[in-house]
Amino acid sequence: RKEVEQDPGPFNVPEGATVAFNCTYSNSASQSFFWYRQDCRKEPKLLMSVYSSGNEDGRFTAQLNRASQYISLLIRDSKLSDSATYLCVVQKGGGNKLTFGTGTQLKVEL
Amino acid sequence: NAGVMQNPRHLVRRRGQEARLRCSPVKGHSHVYWYRQLPEEGLKFMVYLQKENIIDESGMPKERFSAEFPKEGPSILRIQQVVRGDSAAYFCASSPVEGSNQPQHFGDGTRLSIL
Repeated sequence: RKEVEQDPGPFNVPEGATVAFNCTYSNSASQSFFWYRQDCRKEPKLLMSVYSSGNEDGRFTAQLNRASQYISLLIRDSKLSDSATYLCVVQKGGGNKLTFGTGTQLKVEL
Repeated sequence: NAGVMQNPRHLVRRRGQEARLRCSPVKGHSHVYWYRQLPEEGLKFMVYLQKENIIDESGMPKERFSAEFPKEGPSILRIQQVVRGDSAAYFCASSPVEGSNQPQHFGDGTRLSIL
């Protein structure tokens, strides 16, 4: 079983749609959680950290459910520029390596 | 403020040659991480270094791969006697301090192609 699992997609959505991605992780010792974005296999860019209480950044909302060990990302009012691969990332306490999911591909269309 | 700088951006080597990938962290960051992304796969952790110390090399292949982060100068990922399977994008990231919830900032990566 992979440490971080994501639906690879692609998710094809029209501009303006709301889209949600889920991710599950297997290591209950994980302490930090992030969503990164990767365009065309360029460098990953931090989109947002994910907190237990849930957090929002503009059109993006992230949620964490520690009991179920899943993380979600909601994108509202999708833009063409949101087209990318979204990487779910976890980090264990005490060490600093990041463990990446394989990513969910989003394509926003006119 | 300069971000993480990696060079070269693209590197072509023939089988059996050596590849050296360089990474300069964000100014003031003392922690460097190397990740590898094989074609059609996700990023995989390779090694975590602080100045002059390897902290975690659990993701490094046992042979041919080595990494260093000297007191002065960039971090180097070295691959000896490269094989076709080493073709990948190699990303370096840095962070300021140890501890969870410190986001890592990534460089542009080095795309290594083995002929």
